[in-house]
Amino acid sequence: ETGVTQSPTHLIKTRGQQVTLRCSSQSGHNTVSWYQQALGQGPQFIFQYYREEENGRGNFPPRFSGLQFPNYSSELNVNALELDDSALYLCASTDTGWAGYTFGSGTRLTVV
Amino acid sequence: ELKVEQNPLFLSMQEGKNYTIYCNYSTTSDRLYWYRQDPGKSLESLFVLLSNGAVKQEGRLMASLDTKARLSTLHITAAVHDLSATYFCAALDTGRRALTFGSGTRLQVQP
Repeated sequence: ETGVTQSPTHLIKTRGQQVTLRCSSQSGHNTVSWYQQALGQGPQFIFQYYREEENGRGNFPPRFSGLQFPNYSSELNVNALELDDSALYLCASTDTGWAGYTFGSGTRLTVV
Repeated sequence: ELKVEQNPLFLSMQEGKNYTIYCNYSTTSDRLYWYRQDPGKSLESLFVLLSNGAVKQEGRLMASLDTKARLSTLHITAAVHDLSATYFCAALDTGRRALTFGSGTRLQVQP
């Protein structure tokens, strides 16, 4: 059974640029969600995808968008990067029963 | 909106001692999760508590859930240095289909 994998592990971008982060869900999980964790804080929910549709969203602006593919993998896109977007981005997968969330190792994004 | 509060935020304890981390949440939730995070790493699942009165134990850690009091606890027994990490609780917000996390408890176990 494979876990959740994320790529890349680290990324440095310039303010105003766009970035795409990728996530492959755990085998058997059909729901993927994304979280942003700023340094020293708890993760904050960005959005969730189920059957290729966004079905839950946190308090993040529209420049944060995503996709889910038929194989349940997912992308997080962030446009017009701001310095405050610097954080660890975590992807989590679960089944529809929410019995457990498995988190990936994360992507560390630094915006300069 | 569901809010989750953890306390303490920082805990320094000696090896061999016992302590409890508290997690309060503001509105009804029927799932409570505990995670461990080492510096620079991702979240490792410790426990999922699914019903009132649920108690789970793994090694020196024991978690419990009281849905009426909206309170979960993580009890540490006879702490060892390897338990040093940040511990997060998270409650499931079924409306948004999201986990709402507490701010975390940074645990430091001194030899």
